[in-house]
Amino acid sequence: NAGVTQTPKFQVLKTGQSMTLQCAQDMNHEYMSWYRQDPGMGLRLIHYSVGAGITDQGEVPNGYNVSRSTTEDFPLRLLSAAPSQTSVYFCASGTGVNEQFFGPGTRLTVL
Amino acid sequence: AQKVTQAQTEISVVEKEDVTLDCVYETRDTTYYLFWYKQPPSGELVFLIRRNSFDEQNEISGRYSWNFQKSTSSFNFTITASQVVDSAVYFCALSEAGFGNEKLTFGTGTRLTIIP
Repeated sequence: NAGVTQTPKFQVLKTGQSMTLQCAQDMNHEYMSWYRQDPGMGLRLIHYSVGAGITDQGEVPNGYNVSRSTTEDFPLRLLSAAPSQTSVYFCASGTGVNEQFFGPGTRLTVL
Repeated sequence: AQKVTQAQTEISVVEKEDVTLDCVYETRDTTYYLFWYKQPPSGELVFLIRRNSFDEQNEISGRYSWNFQKSTSSFNFTITASQVVDSAVYFCALSEAGFGNEKLTFGTGTRLTIIP
C-alpha cells in the first residue's frame, strides 16, 4: 500500500493563479480531509468528505473547493491563489474509527 | 465549539530526563475522541494514540504514557527517559462524537527538543 499520496510536494504560485493539490489513498477509506498548517496555529481543517459525492466545510474553507468523485481521490482546488494561502497542506484519510493517516504534505508559496 | 490548548510552546530537556506535554481541551459533547500526533523534523505526521471519552484508563506504550483526566479536561503525554529521536513537534487533537475522526481540532503544538 502506498498509503496517502500528495502531489506536488512543493509549489510556487503567483497571486491570482489557480491550481489543484492532488490527494489519493489506496486503503479504501471513506473519510478524507484537508488541513493547512501555519506557524503557531497547528493544523486547521479546510474541507472533509465522508464518502464519494459527499463533502463539507471545515474551519477555514474560504478560497478552496473540493469534490469527491471516487473513494480514492480528494483534490483541493485553489481558484485564485492569495498570499494568505501560503502554507503546508496535509491530506488525511481514515475509517472514522481509529487513526487518520496523513500524507507527506504539499508546501505552497503564493507570491 | 471545540478547543484544544497546548500552553507549552517549546520545551527543552536533557537526554534521559522525563518530560510531560500538557493538553487541555474544551467540548460540549459527552462523547469525543482525543489524539496525539508527532511531527518530526522531516515533516510527516505520525499517529501516537487515540482515546475515547469513556475510557479514562491511563495508557503506557514503551517510554510513552498518557494521562487522561475528564475532571480537568486534560490529556497529558509523558515521555520517560527521553531520547534525541523524540525531538519533534507534538500535537494534541480532539474530534466530536458522530464524526469519527475526520474532523480533528488540533492544538497549536509543543516543540520538544532533547539535548544530547
